[in-house]
Amino acid sequence: GQNIDQPTEMTATEGAIVQINCTYQTSGFNGLFWYQQHAGEAPTFLSYNVLDGLEEKGRFSSFLSRSKGYSYLLLKELQMKDSASYLCAALDSNYQLIWGAGTKLIIKP
Amino acid sequence: IAGITQAPTSQILAAGRRMTLRCTQDMRHNAMYWYRQDLGLGLRLIHYSNTAGTTGKGEVPDGYSVSRANTDDFPLTLASAVPSQTSVYFCASSDSGGAGDEQFFGPGTRLTVL
Repeated sequence: GQNIDQPTEMTATEGAIVQINCTYQTSGFNGLFWYQQHAGEAPTFLSYNVLDGLEEKGRFSSFLSRSKGYSYLLLKELQMKDSASYLCAALDSNYQLIWGAGTKLIIKP
Repeated sequence: IAGITQAPTSQILAAGRRMTLRCTQDMRHNAMYWYRQDLGLGLRLIHYSNTAGTTGKGEVPDGYSVSRANTDDFPLTLASAVPSQTSVYFCASSDSGGAGDEQFFGPGTRLTVL
């Protein structure tokens, strides 16, 4: 079956760094997405990785290891506005996104 | 630029009633999607359309139908609503539905079936 695993909830301190992990098992693989979703709002795109390695975009970076079925999202210099759920999603062989349940990130002052 | 709009924002519906959730995008995207989001579960794909005139079934299509008469609109119909269809419904679109295509989401419809 197809499966995405990520932690349910994480807590971090303002100004710190946090890493949110995601493991995936899909039938075929065409890339890994990260989305941010604030409470009561729609998901918004953060990153896409299809090749192994680290992609950096400002305070956010995303890493992919295809051989390990593993990705992480790294958030630096955390701000209170980063409090949100972070959704990991893998694109399968049919180009359909398989979504994790999301990691709720709580930022404390 | 509106992006993707959904209507209604929220709805309370009696079981057995028919309901259509509306979705319109103005980005001229070819691919459109309907998802439901339930607490503790990931987004689950209900139906999708890769281009106007074609539709496909996702992971949880039972009890739902869609149509794609033109590029902009992708309505989702519940023929006879049941309480298990209580959820938040998101419509999304992407340029072509291919690898690397970012999906843009509408604001969602919160549906309660009693």
